[in-house]
Amino acid sequence: AQSVTQPDIHITVSEGASLELRCNYSYGATPYLFWYVQSPGQGLQLLLKYFSGDTLVQGIKGFEAEFKRSQSSFNLRKPSVHWSDAAEYFCAVPIGGGGSQGNLIFGKGTKLSVKP
Amino acid sequence: GAGVSQTPSNKVTEKGKYVELRCDPISGHTALYWYRQSLGQGPEFLIYFQGTGAADDSGLPNDRFFAVRPEGSVSTLKIQRTERGDSAVYLCASSLEGQGFETQYFGPGTRLLVL
Repeated sequence: AQSVTQPDIHITVSEGASLELRCNYSYGATPYLFWYVQSPGQGLQLLLKYFSGDTLVQGIKGFEAEFKRSQSSFNLRKPSVHWSDAAEYFCAVPIGGGGSQGNLIFGKGTKLSVKP
Repeated sequence: GAGVSQTPSNKVTEKGKYVELRCDPISGHTALYWYRQSLGQGPEFLIYFQGTGAADDSGLPNDRFFAVRPEGSVSTLKIQRTERGDSAVYLCASSLEGQGFETQYFGPGTRLLVL
């Protein structure tokens, strides 16, 4: 069965430091991949997505993610974290990997705290 | 334009009662999804509508849960004989056509507490 694993439940970084959030997926082929962010009291917002082409994907708010087929990973990165980035981050894949069905399987999330 | 809206934002009910949760998707979006998010977990898929029909309801946990979308726009998630384990945030999302690569736009959720 498909699955998405986010190994880190909670990460704390200092403001201005770099960030990498890990995501591994289990699927037989190359799936579409998504990162969503959930701020307190807010709905989930798409940061970026990968579905073909260049394996380095740029997103909103200065985030990027790199798809690595050999490692079944899609890690999220940001070179310099801002206090407003404190939130919960979710990696997701569509059921069946993609195609005509968009129901998403989410990881358990990584909560990011930012130290001043 | 307006995003996805959900009402109520909070709902407190007693065990055994019936509840309805409403979702108003982005205008023109044919695909609508319901997810449930328990504390400390990622959202879990419940049901997917394409237009008026439920294209996939495999995530509904049991027959106490039911959802409708009679006119292909607003959807209502209905829970009968609520149990304490139903307490969670219920999220609704919509996308243009339901294709796997599309962005899903999420509402703020309804926080359900069953006492």
